[in-house]
Order: sequence, then structure tokens, then C-alpha cells
Amino acid sequence: AQKVTQAQTEISVVEKEDVTLDCVYETRDTTYYLFWYKQPPSGELVFLIRRNSFDEQNEISGRYSWNFQKSTSSFNFTITASQVVDSAVYFCALDSNYQLIWGAGTKLIIKP
Amino acid sequence: SAVISQKPSRDICQRGTSLTIQCQVDSQVTMMFWYRQQPGQSLTLIATANQGSEATYESGFVIDKFPISRPNLTFSTLTVSNMSPEDSSIYLCSVVVDSYEQYFGPGTRLTVT
Repeated sequence: AQKVTQAQTEISVVEKEDVTLDCVYETRDTTYYLFWYKQPPSGELVFLIRRNSFDEQNEISGRYSWNFQKSTSSFNFTITASQVVDSAVYFCALDSNYQLIWGAGTKLIIKP
Repeated sequence: SAVISQKPSRDICQRGTSLTIQCQVDSQVTMMFWYRQQPGQSLTLIATANQGSEATYESGFVIDKFPISRPNLTFSTLTVSNMSPEDSSIYLCSVVVDSYEQYFGPGTRLTVT
């Protein structure tokens, strides 16, 4: 069965702290894609990153970084020096034949 | 990437009525999806709407309740029929573009009273 688990329901940190959002997935596919999306209070879903299963290199984009480890089936997301504007719900998702299987989401609250 | 618009952005509807949601994409795309996001929840796929074929519905969703049209490669509609308060959700369309990236419209917030 395909499954995505985001065990952290809600995380609250003070601005400028680093924060890591966990994502663990299950799949029997050898080729798959993993995604992170951001959903701010306005409701739109913002695409952050796509990673394919053959590329285990970590990725950094500004204050955002992603750690993909196939050995532990994890695709964790770290925000460095968090800002109030980072407050949102973050979803991790697994692509199965173009259909996204979603985690429950982690609500991130950044306090000033 | 793709720019996706949805109409209406929000609506308040009475029980028993129907609402048609439109999704417009700024480029031609083959694969389009409709999702529902109930308050405080993650997304649930309603159906896949590929142009030139019947929509494919996920378990728990039926065509009579959620009819979908996909007349061309840039447009689709989802109708929520015979609405009840349980249908109050955000409805989102999404498209797959190059490299498996999936982009979402801004969503339609539906409240059924």
C-alpha cells in the first residue's frame, strides 16, 4: 500500500529558529516522486519541490532544504532561520501514477 | 509551470442545489485532476479528467454526484450536485506539466447551508 505519514500535526517555533518537518512514505514502486507543498492561510497550494526516487542528493533552495533518504523512506524538509511568512500548513506527497497520495499535513506556526 | 484559475473563488449554496466549478489553465495539458479538501484535512482525489476520455472517479465519488466535463486541453468543470452541508469543502483542480510537476488552482471554497 502507498502511504505518506507526517507525524507532526503542529509545530510552533520562534522566528529565526530552524525547523524540520518530517515525512515518511511507503511504496512498493521502484520509481516514484515525492513532493512538498505549502498551503498558507489564504488556501492556495504552492509547489515547493519534486524529487524522483533515483536522485538522493539533498537539495537547498535559499532557506529551504530537503533531505531524501531511501534507506529510511524519509523526505524531510528543513527551514533555516524561519520567518513569520513561513507560517502555513506543509504537505508531503507521493506520486503514484500521477495521482498524489498526501500526508495529513504539518501546521507550522512561526511566532515573532 | 502552469497558471490555473478557478471560478467561483467561493460560494455559499443552499442544500439541494448544484454548483459548477470552472478550471482554466494557461497552457494545454493532458492530465487534470479534481481534489476536495475538507476543513482542517488533507486533500482527497475526486477524479482524473483527461481530455478525450471519461473521467475516472476514485472510491467514494460517483459521476451522478460529481459530474465532470473536459471539453479541451485547457478547461474543465466539476459540478457538485444535490449539495448537502457535508459537501462544504475547498475544491481544487490541478494539472500535471513537464517533469511530473503538479500545480494547483487557487481553489473554490464552498459552504452549503
